[in-house]
Amino acid sequence: DTEVTQTPKHLVMGMTNKKSLKCEQHMGHRAMYWYKQKAKKPPELMFVYSYEKLSINESVPSRFSPECPNSSLLNLHLHALQPEDSALYLCASSQGSGSDTQYFGPGTRLTVL
Amino acid sequence: GQNIDQPTEMTATEGAIVQINCTYQTSGFNGLFWYQQHAGEAPTFLSYNVLDGLEEKGRFSSFLSRSKGYSYLLLKELQMKDSASYLCAVRDRLRSNYQLIWGAGTKLIIKP
Repeated sequence: DTEVTQTPKHLVMGMTNKKSLKCEQHMGHRAMYWYKQKAKKPPELMFVYSYEKLSINESVPSRFSPECPNSSLLNLHLHALQPEDSALYLCASSQGSGSDTQYFGPGTRLTVL
Repeated sequence: GQNIDQPTEMTATEGAIVQINCTYQTSGFNGLFWYQQHAGEAPTFLSYNVLDGLEEKGRFSSFLSRSKGYSYLLLKELQMKDSASYLCAVRDRLRSNYQLIWGAGTKLIIKP
């Protein structure tokens, strides 16, 4: 089983809203990732959690706040976003920290009005 | 520097064979991945190469030459559902957590 699930599938929010994206995996993977992907571009790494600790923050604005409540769950809290933040947000997981194949969830299509 | 190049778009005919090339430059090469991504969907893992040679998996094969900084993905017996973007990604051991460097992707269009 290589399934990573993400909710919601689609999200529309205003610039003053607070929302959260959720990601879950039950493969026993110890590394989880958040990526942002714009149309016709490759995924851009935002955050990496390794063994539930934040190990990489790719200079992401503070309006994006990640959280890893346990080894199976990863959240991305959104606040005061800008229209240019509209994108596909992808969660991925891998067995270890960066040294293994990453498996992606279906993504959340985010639109900021 | 670090760079990955792959063609922007390719067109092929249903039932035919197509080869998608990827060239890379990185100081800390530690493996190369191919992912398939249908429009609006998540990338799906296809193959992984870390040693030179050919890895075959059904209709898909991937080749790596580390000395040339070159890989290709070979798709045989093309089907309409193979229309997608194909992303080449290189793992770099000199980056934190062996981060992936992604190519821009090759959009493959399959015609009947």
